[in-house]
Amino acid sequence: DADVTQTPRNRITKTGKRIMLECSQTKGHDRMYWYRQDPGLGLRLIYYSFDVKDINKGEISDGYSVSRQAQAKFSLSLESAIPNQTALYFCATSWTQGRGQETQYFGPGTRLLVL
Amino acid sequence: QKEVEQNSGPLSVPEGAIASLNCTYSDRGSQSFFWYRQYSGKSPELIMSIYSNGDKEDGRFTAQLNKASQYVSLLIRDSQPSDSATYLCAVRAQGAQKLVFGQGTRLTINP
Repeated sequence: DADVTQTPRNRITKTGKRIMLECSQTKGHDRMYWYRQDPGLGLRLIYYSFDVKDINKGEISDGYSVSRQAQAKFSLSLESAIPNQTALYFCATSWTQGRGQETQYFGPGTRLLVL
Repeated sequence: QKEVEQNSGPLSVPEGAIASLNCTYSDRGSQSFFWYRQYSGKSPELIMSIYSNGDKEDGRFTAQLNKASQYVSLLIRDSQPSDSATYLCAVRAQGAQKLVFGQGTRLTINP
């Protein structure tokens, strides 16, 4: 079984709709992240969470919200989807290590198309 | 200036040759550096991490870090067609809580 799972894997929605992307992990990691990837722009951080009570904005959080329901679950919501939110979305996890040494493990991604 | 910059490519290398991928960063206080490989349509996977100046070797891969010049590179020896992918450089600044990714370099190994 995959350690980091994302649902759905593909989603087509219409402008103005609210949608939720879900991420679950069985790695026991405390840190979870949501990124979006657009062609030529690399990975950009949307939100991150270091434990259930900790939520932080990334560089492109506008138009998104998150919920950390449990250590293993981190959901990303688009309150009112717009076409420029069409992208590939990745969830990632890591665990707290000293001295900046950290490996992030990525889920398989969710391909979102907003019409 | 972008925080982490990579040549987007595509970089084309013949099979068996050495592929050299470069990454520069703007924050002189950066302390942790990572190379991820991403196949088309797949998620990134970590292939190398490096934290101190010099070279770090792992099989056919060598990461090189030069903090004075603010660059990190990845060498792939004996390149194979299966190495064809996009390579992402990621950097963590000292005291920072998150990674900053470059835009990635697309590498093609030609048989």
